[in-house]
Amino acid sequence: EDQVTQSPEALRLQEGESSSLNCSYTVSGLRGLFWYRQDPGKGPEFLFTLYSAGEEKEKERLKATLTKKESFLHITAPKPEDSATYLCAVQAPSGGSNYKLTFGKGTLLTVNP
Amino acid sequence: DGGITQSPKYLFRKEGQNVTLSCEQNLNHDAMYWYRQDPGQGLRLIYYSQIVNDFQKGDIAEGYSVSREKKESFPLTVTSAQKNPTAFYLCASSIARRGGRLSSYNEQFFGPGTRLTVL
Repeated sequence: EDQVTQSPEALRLQEGESSSLNCSYTVSGLRGLFWYRQDPGKGPEFLFTLYSAGEEKEKERLKATLTKKESFLHITAPKPEDSATYLCAVQAPSGGSNYKLTFGKGTLLTVNP
Repeated sequence: DGGITQSPKYLFRKEGQNVTLSCEQNLNHDAMYWYRQDPGQGLRLIYYSQIVNDFQKGDIAEGYSVSREKKESFPLTVTSAQKNPTAFYLCASSIARRGGRLSSYNEQFFGPGTRLTVL
């Protein structure tokens, strides 16, 4: 069974203090790893898709990287508006369903001014 | 603007009542999905549909039903058989083809969600 573990569960940073969120996964035949941002009471907002080990994607202060066992979401010089829950999901062949995403529980990031 | 809409934003259900959650998209996406989100848990797949008039059960389909009569619409009914329906419900959609070929592995885009509470 596909498994996704995100760490830490919660992270509190000072504005400007860079850090990384981790997403480790156990899947058979990874086809894609996705990062989302979710604000309280709202739907997840798509950030990145990574398809193969070594791939990197960047968007403003965020950079996502992928290895064969885990992905990191690096946050450089965060601002209070980066505060949110960050979700990681993997997609892999799963029985007859090739469309299933398996989500981690998320990391709640709080950036203090 | 293209996007996914869900209604209502908040919904209250009495015991023994069926309720229907609406999901509409104007992104011209082929595939649509319903997820449930509970505190401290990852999103869990309820149902998904790759094409009109076809849908498949996800991991937690018991007590739920769906229909896909139109490409842009994928309503979810929470029936009285669902014993613990209080949750945040999320609808998503994705393209089903990439470069003209059927591709299962595409990012999903989510709606704003419906919070269902049982009274």
